[in-house]
Amino acid sequence: SYELTQPPSVSVSPGQTARITCSGDALPKKYTYWYQQKSGQAPVLVIFEDTKRSSGIPERFSGSSSGTMATLTVSGAQVEDEADYYCYSADSSGYLWVFGGGTKLTVL
Amino acid sequence: EVQLVESGGGLVQPGGSLRLSCAASGFTFSNVWMNWVRQAPGKGLEWVGRIKSHADGGTTDYAAPVKGRFTISRDDSKNTLYLQMTSLKTEDTALYYCNTVYCPNSVCYPWGQGALVTVSA
Repeated sequence: SYELTQPPSVSVSPGQTARITCSGDALPKKYTYWYQQKSGQAPVLVIFEDTKRSSGIPERFSGSSSGTMATLTVSGAQVEDEADYYCYSADSSGYLWVFGGGTKLTVL
Repeated sequence: EVQLVESGGGLVQPGGSLRLSCAASGFTFSNVWMNWVRQAPGKGLEWVGRIKSHADGGTTDYAAPVKGRFTISRDDSKNTLYLQMTSLKTEDTALYYCNTVYCPNSVCYPWGQGALVTVSA
């Protein structure tokens, strides 16, 4: 079965840049999506199709993808950015989708 | 305003069945591929399955843990997505969400609050 691998946690101080990675064999050919989920809330799509920022999402959020790794970057992270972040993509067939295990971003 | 509203959750015994609904509004539902995603208590997100639009064939795909037990369908006349769950197991206990990654003009559709399914004797 296909897997996307994320680090369990990332920690930065306010104003620093946080980078959350997601690795998967099919990423060179499939788009990556990034979800933010704050405690007790439904997930919110922050980046779609590798690099496109959803409307209403602060410009400090950006996405990139190179080879088998996609990266979500939070430039100048704020305390309110603390959340779990999940990458999401399809396997090489395009029929099966999978979420990464999630990364807990701590900003303090 | 785009809305997705899940309903139909509840407590069911192992081996039982349940049908979830997802009512969509604020967009042309018939054009959009839809997914079901679940989240077990304290766990991460898990893709359950997807249905394409009828224009793209209306076919379905499922994650391995639910294949053969769950069925996704849609009624475009009612703007509603369904998840029929049978042979339920305790490990199916989760909050179930419907969603789409469709983002017209970079406006991505919000998820609903989900439907809680508890499988327990």
